[in-house]
Amino acid sequence: GNSVTQMEGPVTLSEEAFLTINCTYTATGYPSLFWYVQYPGEGLQLLLKATKADDKGSNKGFEATYRKETTSFHLEKGSVQVSDSAVYFCALEPYGNNRLAFGKGNQVVVIP
Amino acid sequence: DAGVTQSPTHLIKTRGQQVTLRCSPKSGHDTVSWYQQALGQGPQFIFQYYEEEERQRGNFPDRFSGHQFPNYSSELNVNALLLGDSALYLCASMDLLDQGELFFGEGSRLTVL
Repeated sequence: GNSVTQMEGPVTLSEEAFLTINCTYTATGYPSLFWYVQYPGEGLQLLLKATKADDKGSNKGFEATYRKETTSFHLEKGSVQVSDSAVYFCALEPYGNNRLAFGKGNQVVVIP
Repeated sequence: DAGVTQSPTHLIKTRGQQVTLRCSPKSGHDTVSWYQQALGQGPQFIFQYYEEEERQRGNFPDRFSGHQFPNYSSELNVNALLLGDSALYLCASMDLLDQGELFFGEGSRLTVL
C-alpha cells in the first residue's frame, strides 16, 4: 500500500538553527510528494511539492528533494524563524488519483 | 476570493447521535474531498465528490456518507457516532481538470461524548 513515515516526536530548536524533518514513503509506481504546514488555528497549506524523481521543491526558504533510490523527501530549512513554528506533514499522492496519504506530522517549535 | 469554508467550527455530540458537516469549496473548484484528522495524527482520506457523485472512498465504514450539491458545496454525514469519531474533519477542494493545488479548510472539530 501507500504510506508515509515521519520521524517521531516534536522538534524544538532555536531561531536561526538548521531544520531537518525526515520523511520516507512506500508507494507503488511514481507518486507525487508534498509537504503541508498547519499553523495554529489555520487549515493545512501546501508548502512545496515534487512530482518526479530528483525534483526539488522549494518555498519560503524550505526545500525537499524527491529521492527515489532512498524513497525519501526530507524537509530542510537553513535558518528557521519563530514564525516557522507549526506542524509539518509529509504526504504522497499516487499517480493521478487526487487523494493524499499523510504522515503523522511533526510539531516544530522555534524558540527566540 | 474566499477559500474553502467549513461549518460548524466546533460541535459536541453524544454517542449514537448523527452529525452533518458542511463545506463550500474555493471559487472555481468542482471537486471536494473529506479527511479525518484524529488528535496527533495525519489526515486520513474519507471520500471525494465530483459531479455530485462519490468518486473515491477511503477505508471508512458506511456510517460515513456524503453529498455534493449542484453548486459544488458538500456535506459529510456521520451516523451512530462513536467516541472514536472525535476528530478534526477537513474539507479540501480542487479543480479536477486543472489538476492544481488542493486547498484545505480550517476544519470542523467534532467531540463525541
